[in-house]
Amino acid sequence: DAMVIQNPRYQVTQFGKPVTLSCSQTLNHNVMYWYQQKSSQAPKLLFHYYDKDFNNEADTPDNFQSRRPNTSFCFLDIRSPGLGDAAMYLCATSRGVEGPGEKLFFGSGTQLSVL
Amino acid sequence: GQNIDQPTEMTATEGAIVQINCTYQTSGFNGLFWYQQHAGEAPTFLSYNVLDGLEEKGRFSSFLSRSKGYSYLLLKELQMKDSASYLCAEVDSNYQLIWGAGTKLIIKP
Repeated sequence: DAMVIQNPRYQVTQFGKPVTLSCSQTLNHNVMYWYQQKSSQAPKLLFHYYDKDFNNEADTPDNFQSRRPNTSFCFLDIRSPGLGDAAMYLCATSRGVEGPGEKLFFGSGTQLSVL
Repeated sequence: GQNIDQPTEMTATEGAIVQINCTYQTSGFNGLFWYQQHAGEAPTFLSYNVLDGLEEKGRFSSFLSRSKGYSYLLLKELQMKDSASYLCAEVDSNYQLIWGAGTKLIIKP
C-alpha cells in the first residue's frame, strides 16, 4: 500500500545531542511537510518542500533543519535539542496540484523525548 | 491556532449523536478541513467544505456557514472507536492550513 512512513516511532535523545528524524513516501507526492505537535495542541508547521523548493516558516527556530535528497525521502534535523523540543513530529505529504482542498496524508509520527 | 476555536473536550454516549463546533476568522477563507486523530497516531482526513451547507459521509457529516465563520462535525451512531481528537483546520488566503488544537471526544458505554 502507498503510504507515508516515519522512523523511528519513538526517539529518545539527550539534551543538546543532535537527532535526525526520517520520513519516506511511496505516494510520489510533490509536497512534503514537517509538523511539530505537542500534547493537546494544534500541529505547528515547521517547513515544507514543493519538490526541491524549501519553504521555512518564519517562526521555525534555526535549531531545526530539513533535507529532501529526493522525492521519496525527507529528514528533520534537530541540531541541539532542548527540553521544549519534546513533541510528536509528524511528516505529511500532498500531491501539490489540487489547490486549497487538497488533503494531507500523514505518517504515524515520531514521538521525541529529550532527557 | 489562535484563529481557530473549538471546544477542548466533549463526552458522549455510545450510540448517540454529537456535534463538534469550530469557529474561524472569515477573511481570506479557502475552505475548512476536519481530521480525526487517535491518541498517539497521525491525523486522518475526514472532510473538506468550501461551500455552505451540509455534506454527509456515512455516520459523519460536516457543515459550513461562511458568513458566520462556523463549521461543525456531526457524528451519528457513536461507536467506542470514535473516541479521538477531532481537528478543525482552515485554509487561509495563502492556501496555508491554520489548525485548531482539536476537540478530544470521549465516548462512554
